[in-house]
Amino acid sequence: DTAVSQTPKYLVTQMGNDKSIKCEQNLGHDTMYWYKQDSKKFLKIMFSYNNKELIINETVPNRFSPKSPDKAHLNLHINSLELGDSAVYFCASSPGTGGWYEQYFGPGTRLTVT
Amino acid sequence: GDSVTQMEGPVTLSEEAFLTINCTYTATGYPSLFWYVQYPGEGLQLLLKATKADDKGSNKGFEATYRKETTSFHLEKGSVQVSDSAVYFCALNRDDKIIFGKGTRLHILP
Repeated sequence: DTAVSQTPKYLVTQMGNDKSIKCEQNLGHDTMYWYKQDSKKFLKIMFSYNNKELIINETVPNRFSPKSPDKAHLNLHINSLELGDSAVYFCASSPGTGGWYEQYFGPGTRLTVT
Repeated sequence: GDSVTQMEGPVTLSEEAFLTINCTYTATGYPSLFWYVQYPGEGLQLLLKATKADDKGSNKGFEATYRKETTSFHLEKGSVQVSDSAVYFCALNRDDKIIFGKGTRLHILP
């Protein structure tokens, strides 16, 4: 059973398009996250939700909008895609808020904007 | 602000060599510290963690000790295997926000 799953695994699209990435976790966790990993492997948090409420919103263009329909899902919608959005996007979950919890990561979605 | 600095890679070693990947952090208070590993084409997975000073995390032969006096959390393994080839990330977690180092790519030669 996959603990944290993302779809699609690969996404190739043109500049200006709108796309969504879906994330689901079956671990019963309360908290979910989106991270962006650039071409140099640098990972940065974008958003975090706890019980469907946004708790972390880093400095991310407002073209990125997360949506959490329930505790098990956190989707990422991106409007007006730009070349610089090309990256690998990781979803993660953890049992709750609190610095001692580990996070469980999905396999990633490689987004390529042409 | 909080930050994590780890040695730049790539690090190339022969099988059975001793491994050290240095990691230092800057933070106020007492964050939890983690090492995550990313195998090719996969997401990150937790390797080990330590939540307070002098704690030692260990897993799969890897160890790291939370050193508050030197603000360090160096990763060590006594005898590496080819299967340890991956990217290793040191991280701290404060207020539920993980800050990652830039990652160290490790190549193990047979």
